[in-house]
Amino acid sequence: QVQLVQSGAEVKKPGASVKVSCKASGYIFTNYGISWVRQAPGQGLEWMGWISVYNGNTHYAPNLQGRVTLSTDTSTSTAYMELRSLRSDDTAVYYCATDSGYWGQGTLVTVSS
Amino acid sequence: DIQMTQSPSSLSASVGDRVTITCRASQGISIYLAWFQQKPGKAPKSLIYAASSLQSGVPSKFSGSGSGTDFTLTIRSLQPEDFATYYCQQYNSYPFTFGQGTKLEIK
Repeated sequence: QVQLVQSGAEVKKPGASVKVSCKASGYIFTNYGISWVRQAPGQGLEWMGWISVYNGNTHYAPNLQGRVTLSTDTSTSTAYMELRSLRSDDTAVYYCATDSGYWGQGTLVTVSS
Repeated sequence: DIQMTQSPSSLSASVGDRVTITCRASQGISIYLAWFQQKPGKAPKSLIYAASSLQSGVPSKFSGSGSGTDFTLTIRSLQPEDFATYYCQQYNSYPFTFGQGTKLEIK
């Protein structure tokens, strides 16, 4: 069965970077792109970006362009989301999701001094 | 960016009811619309893609319709497990955008 397993919760200081992983199993990794979505406490869903696992093409949300980088490692079927220059309003649960509709369990990133 | 507006923002209904949630796009998106269900503390679950196609394993009590700018999600015969927050998302053009969500509560 398809599974996306994300890395554990992180606590970061303002200005730091975080890299969240999303390990896929149960399907051919290169067949589907992966989106990253975040959800601040008590808020709705915010699309962050998408990566083609097949060729590495990326698209980012304009408000995150320059601070976020999506990547994949096809040898380990793992996708990564790196967010830099963290601010308190980056505190959120971060999700990966495949184009085929499967979601990871979420990773809480807390940014606090 | 394409703006997605859901209505209502919240909805009270009873077990056994049929409800409809509306999602409107600020410009035409053909049928590139998905619906998601989210329960508190859980990851979203994909329900519908391409406006009306059910994801594998999703019961047929959920149905979607629409094209262009106006879309609906209908849930018939509500059960306790259906009370959740529902989101639409357009994937016609980048950046993909979500509606603000509709919270479905038990009356």
